Amino acid sequence: GQSLEQPSEVTAVEGAIVQINCTYQTSGFYGLSWYQQHDGGAPTFLSYNALDGLEETGRFSSFLSRSDSYGYLLLQELQMKDSASYFCAVSPGSASKIIFGSGTRLSIRP
Amino acid sequence: GAVVSQHPSRVICKSGTSVKIECRSLDFQATTMFWYRQFPKQSLMLMATSNEGSKATYEQGVEKDKFLINHASLTLSTLTVTSAHPEDSSFYICSANQQQGWFFGPGTRLTVL
Repeated sequence: GQSLEQPSEVTAVEGAIVQINCTYQTSGFYGLSWYQQHDGGAPTFLSYNALDGLEETGRFSSFLSRSDSYGYLLLQELQMKDSASYFCAVSPGSASKIIFGSGTRLSIRP
Repeated sequence: GAVVSQHPSRVICKSGTSVKIECRSLDFQATTMFWYRQFPKQSLMLMATSNEGSKATYEQGVEKDKFLINHASLTLSTLTVTSAHPEDSSFYICSANQQQGWFFGPGTRLTVL
C-alpha cells in the first residue's frame, strides 16, 4: 500500500516563504507531484519530481529526495490568493496513476 | 494545456436513483482516466482507473457494481452511481494524465436526499 504524510495546517504571512513537507511510503515509486485546491474547486497541477533535486516554476519550487522518501513544496512571495489546500501525490506502480496525501491547508495572513 | 470537462457540475437526486457523470478530455485523447471522490475537508480518494475499450480497475474497497465506469471513446469516460444513498453524497472528480502533468475536471457535487 501507500501512505503519505503532510502537516494538516500551515499559517504564513503575506510576502513570506513557506515550505510544505511530504513523506511517503509506497510499494513502488515513479515520482512525486503537487497540487493546489481552493475551496469548492478541483485540484490544479503544480509540479512533478521524478528525480532527486529541485524543480522551479515561478514562485513555486518542489524538491525530492528519493533516498529519504521525502519531498517538499516551497512557495515564495506569498500572496493572499495562495491560501488553499496543497496535496502531494505519488505515482506508485503505474506511472500515470496518482495517490494523494492528506493535504495541507495553508492560511495566509496580511 | 490539457482541458478536462465534467458534466453535470452539480446534481441532486433521490435515494435509490442512479446518476451518471461524464468526463471529457477536450483537447487531447486519454486512453486512461481516473475517478476520485472527495468528502468535505478530506483528501481525494482514488476510486478507479478507467481504461478505454476495456474494464475499469477499481481500488480496494470500491464496489464495482455500485460505481459503474464506461470508457467507450478516447475522450469520454462516464461514472454511474447506481442506487445512490445519502452516504454517496460527495465531490466526484475525474483526471487524466498528459506529458505536462495531471489535469482534473471541475468536479461534480452529488447530493443524495
